[in-house]
Amino acid sequence: EVQLLESGGGLVQPGGSLRLSCAASGITFSSYAMSWVRQAPGKGLEWVSVICGSGGITYYADSVKGRFTMSRDNSKNTVYLQMNSLRAEDTAVYYCAKAPVQSCYKYFDYWGQGTLVTVSS
Amino acid sequence: DIQMTQSPSSLSASVGDRVTITCRASQGMSDYLAWYQQKPGKVPKLLIYAASTLQSGVPSRFSGSGSGTDFTLTISSLQREDVATYYCQKYNSAPLTFGGGTKVEIK
Repeated sequence: EVQLLESGGGLVQPGGSLRLSCAASGITFSSYAMSWVRQAPGKGLEWVSVICGSGGITYYADSVKGRFTMSRDNSKNTVYLQMNSLRAEDTAVYYCAKAPVQSCYKYFDYWGQGTLVTVSS
Repeated sequence: DIQMTQSPSSLSASVGDRVTITCRASQGMSDYLAWYQQKPGKVPKLLIYAASTLQSGVPSRFSGSGSGTDFTLTISSLQREDVATYYCQKYNSAPLTFGGGTKVEIK
């Protein structure tokens, strides 16, 4: 059974940093691209970033480019999202989502339960 | 970047009704489109990919069609458990943009 477990969310002040983690189980982790998708309270889904299965290529939404960095450790079956220079508008539930193949350009067949990030003073 | 516009933003229909949701892309993107269902308080669930391929385990009352710039998600006979917000998502290239969502309620 595929499981994705996010962690690392919490309350942070504007301008601060936070690192999210997503641990995967039940899959050959390196074979799949992984993404972060966020959802602000009462709002729709917003794609944030993706890392291809090989781990070398990443893409970001314009809203986070230059502030967020996605990485993966295939030996730990874990992806990370380093979030710097956080703003109030980054407040959201952050979901980890798995693609069905290595390619970055895919849909998401499994989602984690999400971790809440609140940016507030 | 390609923009994804969903319509309507919300709808109310009776049990048994046929429901259609539209997603329009600002540029052609072949059939690189997926649909998701998010029930209140729950995690999004993949319904359809490649515009018309039903994900395993999804009821056959859901169907998708379209190619290029215009896509539709159809629920052939709305059930109470279909109350949810539905999102389209493009994946031909980054950014992997979602549509704004369509909230479906029971009349």
